[in-house]
Amino acid sequence: SAVISQKPSRDICQRGTSLTIQCQVDSQVTMMFWYRQQPGQSLTLIATANQGSEATYESGFVIDKFPISRPNLTFSTLTVSNMSPEDSSIYLCSVVVGAFETQYFGPGTRLLVL
Amino acid sequence: DAKTTQPTSMDCAEGRAANLPCNHSTISGNEYVYWYRQIHSQGPQYIIHGLKNNETNEMASLIITEDRKSSTLILPHATLRDTAVYYCIVRPPASGTYKYIFGTGTRLKVLA
Repeated sequence: SAVISQKPSRDICQRGTSLTIQCQVDSQVTMMFWYRQQPGQSLTLIATANQGSEATYESGFVIDKFPISRPNLTFSTLTVSNMSPEDSSIYLCSVVVGAFETQYFGPGTRLLVL
Repeated sequence: DAKTTQPTSMDCAEGRAANLPCNHSTISGNEYVYWYRQIHSQGPQYIIHGLKNNETNEMASLIITEDRKSSTLILPHATLRDTAVYYCIVRPPASGTYKYIFGTGTRLKVLA
């Protein structure tokens, strides 16, 4: 398994500002993932973050809005840029561990944009 | 789109077994069934996975039908802390894409 922490755990932000979310893993992992969970909805994958290369974004998500950094094998950041109230969600990072690619999730960052 | 269908919600009495069904009629031969749960406002938690044989761990049992088109997650003695949304996901392991597609899940409410 993997132990994942996220900072901040929650935040309230003004529209037009940006927030950077940090994700720290207790072991080295090849890939990290960022998800969004809008209120009352299921999880949607934003992007896959590979160490040493550009993140791969899912349809509907773009780098200008959600820039991602992956400076080493235990850490990643997701920035939510130029926020609007529609960005109010829980943002989750995850990693894959083991031969069966079991995915483990962080506790999430609860973002409210006013 | 998710390859699974689950009931939207279920209730279960505390101390009784909770049986959560999942339909995956289009599952491929190399795809595993994974179960996760998400307790309110927390990150999803891995529960169990299986291919075709029944599996059991300290959290739950997974029963997969012989034709693999459906499965049931069993929480043998549900407690109030098992109240959560339960997600059933099918995907091939070691696929290289690492992609998990979450459906809408089943909202399980354990009643005192």
